[in-house]
Amino acid sequence: NAGVTQTPKFRVLKTGQSMTLLCAQDMNHEYMYWYRQDPGMGLRLIHYSVGEGTTAKGEVPDGYNVSRLKKQNFLLGLESAAPSQTSVYFCASSYSRDRAGYTFGSGTRLTVV
Amino acid sequence: GNSVTQMEGPVTLSEEAFLTINCTYTATGYPSLFWYVQYPGEGLQLLLKATKADDKGSNKGFEATYRKETTSFHLEKGSVQVSDSAVYFCALSVSGGYNKLIFGAGTRLAVHP
Repeated sequence: NAGVTQTPKFRVLKTGQSMTLLCAQDMNHEYMYWYRQDPGMGLRLIHYSVGEGTTAKGEVPDGYNVSRLKKQNFLLGLESAAPSQTSVYFCASSYSRDRAGYTFGSGTRLTVV
Repeated sequence: GNSVTQMEGPVTLSEEAFLTINCTYTATGYPSLFWYVQYPGEGLQLLLKATKADDKGSNKGFEATYRKETTSFHLEKGSVQVSDSAVYFCALSVSGGYNKLIFGAGTRLAVHP
């Protein structure tokens, strides 16, 4: 089925370890986003991309890096994980036309110990 | 700046009760407004949206009207079902902002038989 696929679904990291979260979409969407979801805080934008080869910072970018080498993929990296990065991470994509809604992935639950 | 405020949950209702979840916003320019729903263990799904003042979004028996004068976008449903139990997020995006969504904190709804 068409949509947004995130891998992995769950991960436990030790403080200081690194990892990459993968987001793939097959809808030919131009825009892609990474959000984190924390209790009582809703979703906060980490980074986003408006096309292949482009990335930009969102509201909470510190400690994260991203890349969009191919239009369909958007990678989120943690170079040195910290317990404060324990969260549920959601990827989303949308068309570039204004006011388009998002299609979300099912999320990655990350625990940093 | 741009922000969204939702009523705190959880909201607990009996089946067939009337539902209102309040959402107010602050925005520069003319935002589009959205309601997303998140079922347990899943990503967010677009429930409904409105792109200009006085528009009414509707879907699956849920409705919300974009009220510019009160900067509100309250979610309503006339008769809730157990299957409506989920977390509901109000969100906005502003024109020219690459469709970046700003979310409220979310409101958990629990419907009992």
